[in-house]
Amino acid sequence: QSLLTQPPSVSGAPGQRVTISCTGSSSNIGTGYDVHWYQQLPGTAPKLLIYVNNNRPSGVPDRFSGSRSATSASLAISGLQAEDAADYYCQSYDSSLSGWVFGGGTKLTVL
Amino acid sequence: QVQLQQWGAGLLKPSETLSLTCAVYGEPLSGYYWTWIRQPPGKGLEWIGEMNDSGSSKYNPSLKSRVTMLLDTSKNQFSLNLSSVTAADTALYFCAKFEYGGPIDSWGQGTLVTVSS
Repeated sequence: QSLLTQPPSVSGAPGQRVTISCTGSSSNIGTGYDVHWYQQLPGTAPKLLIYVNNNRPSGVPDRFSGSRSATSASLAISGLQAEDAADYYCQSYDSSLSGWVFGGGTKLTVL
Repeated sequence: QVQLQQWGAGLLKPSETLSLTCAVYGEPLSGYYWTWIRQPPGKGLEWIGEMNDSGSSKYNPSLKSRVTMLLDTSKNQFSLNLSSVTAADTALYFCAKFEYGGPIDSWGQGTLVTVSS
């Protein structure tokens, strides 16, 4: 049971917008710790998608955006493309663990 | 652009010690944090621990009693040892890098470690 909760799966048609939630608690996101998002294709290492809540690394399309509220964060993907089909993970710091914690991951299916 | 290349034994028997090494190219070890992450088959990511060149290290409490991480600045490498492995330790293991307060920005290619009798 991860300390950050994500929906196991989301889906959308090409061109649509989807959001992936990441719900934490007072020991992680709720304390104000930053949230990062990663995209992982099968059998490969995760790739940084969003850092410090809402920042995109160079090369990440602006179709990807992040936000954070009190004890949760969200990743939004607009203009869905077939290549966006992947697993997505949120990450934050947890004071009870004294280390990184990841969400359980969300599998995005592009219909 | 930093590159991380990792290696280690891929098949272990229960009770053996997992040993993985990660070589860093393009950046020195100093000034950064180095971490190990694992992913059981079909499951999510789990933080194993982290360290930096000042001697600071932290481990996941669930693994702390079995984990040792070391830095070798002379070789620009860092390593992971996980003792007394069981089938539950079967996973894809990644080495990775981050800066203090920042996200993981570089990953190794991953090493699949299978524990089976």
